[in-house]
Amino acid sequence: DAGVTQSPTHLIKTRGQHVTLRCSPISGHKSVSWYQQVLGQGPQFIFQYYEKEERGRGNFPDRFSARQFPNYSSELNVNALLLGDSALYLCASSRQGVGARTEAFFGQGTRLTVV
Amino acid sequence: GIQVEQSPPDLILQEGANSTLRCNFSDSVNNLQWFHQNPWGQLINLFYIPSGTKQNGRLSATTVATERYSLLYISSSQTTDSGVYFCAVWHSGGYQKVTFGTGTKLQVIP
Repeated sequence: DAGVTQSPTHLIKTRGQHVTLRCSPISGHKSVSWYQQVLGQGPQFIFQYYEKEERGRGNFPDRFSARQFPNYSSELNVNALLLGDSALYLCASSRQGVGARTEAFFGQGTRLTVV
Repeated sequence: GIQVEQSPPDLILQEGANSTLRCNFSDSVNNLQWFHQNPWGQLINLFYIPSGTKQNGRLSATTVATERYSLLYISSSQTTDSGVYFCAVWHSGGYQKVTFGTGTKLQVIP
């Protein structure tokens, strides 16, 4: 079975632009979550989606948004990019959602550079 | 919000040595996982361990949820064990949040 897949793997954008990152969960997994990892730090939680509804949110500005599609894949959108948005963006999938004892599996990440 | 602290922050081991990494968390959690992050950024699952003890080869982990800590044991360390180790906790008060620990950077030297 394929693991969590993310696209693209690398991306360079200019300040002020918009970016869309994509994630396909493991087959049978209905929950997807997104994380930002700045160099030298641990991942920071951005969103969790389960059954196409937002079920969790971290402390990120409204420039960050996400959605989950009927096939459980997900997109993370970031508007008005800032230099500080440069980071590794990680996606994770799990079989169940909030409050459930379920293991999360991570994709290889998208490395975003804002210039 | 919940605080997740890992210790030690940095660790240098001679190949073959044993080590214990600790993860303390400040509130009750639904899930806890340990990860090894490789140099390319991939988070590799080590243990899914909200409570109890598990073993996988040279690695084992214990979570004492009532005392809010988890331990990761690495025995007979190898150079391939080098990298950053994170614990992460899942917690919810109706709305899910995930908090990663501060990480332990491990270097195993031959």
